[in-house]
Amino acid sequence: KQEVTQIPAALSVPEGENLVLNCSFTDSAIYNLQWFRQDPGKGLTSLLLIQSSQREQTSGRLNASLDKSSGRSTLYIAASQPGDSATYLCAVKRNTGNQFYFGTGTSLTVIP
Amino acid sequence: DGGITQSPKYLFRKEGQNVTLSCEQNLNHDAMYWYRQDPGQGLRLIYYSQIVNDFQKGDIAEGYSVSREKKESFPLTVTSAQKNPTAFYLCASSIDPWSPYGYTFGSGTRLTVV
Repeated sequence: KQEVTQIPAALSVPEGENLVLNCSFTDSAIYNLQWFRQDPGKGLTSLLLIQSSQREQTSGRLNASLDKSSGRSTLYIAASQPGDSATYLCAVKRNTGNQFYFGTGTSLTVIP
Repeated sequence: DGGITQSPKYLFRKEGQNVTLSCEQNLNHDAMYWYRQDPGQGLRLIYYSQIVNDFQKGDIAEGYSVSREKKESFPLTVTSAQKNPTAFYLCASSIDPWSPYGYTFGSGTRLTVV
């Protein structure tokens, strides 16, 4: 079974700061990894998806990297804004099986 | 616009009652999934379906049932056998189980036992 861990569980930063969210997984035989954003009481919004053959993906102020050999992914948020406040979840799909395995998320608060 | 619609947004269940959560998608996706989210825990897979008329149990299927009679629809029934059903339920879909495009999620249904 794939175990996915996200550290820290909560993070509070002043507006404008660059920040990194971490995701680690136990089984390096992954198919892809997806980062999501979840606002309180809402569903998940996909941010970035990295295939196992890729090292990173970028979308606007977001950059996600993947290091399969060490079982790690990071989500880099540049120039954080109060609107970035949300919970960020990473999910990993293995090469076998049909499901994504989710971390417990990092709750981000960006202070104006 | 294409997407996934979950209804209702809030649902209240009395003890011993079965309730059904609706999930409809117009993305023409083959695969659909139901996840449960509890505070402090990651999402856990209840059931998934790779194709019409087929579905498989996930990690926490006990006390739940599903059907997949149409490609667009994957309803989840929470039965009276589910002893702790209060949670946030999320439906997701993908083009197929091995899609390189990942998951699309609905907006969720919050179920509360009263």
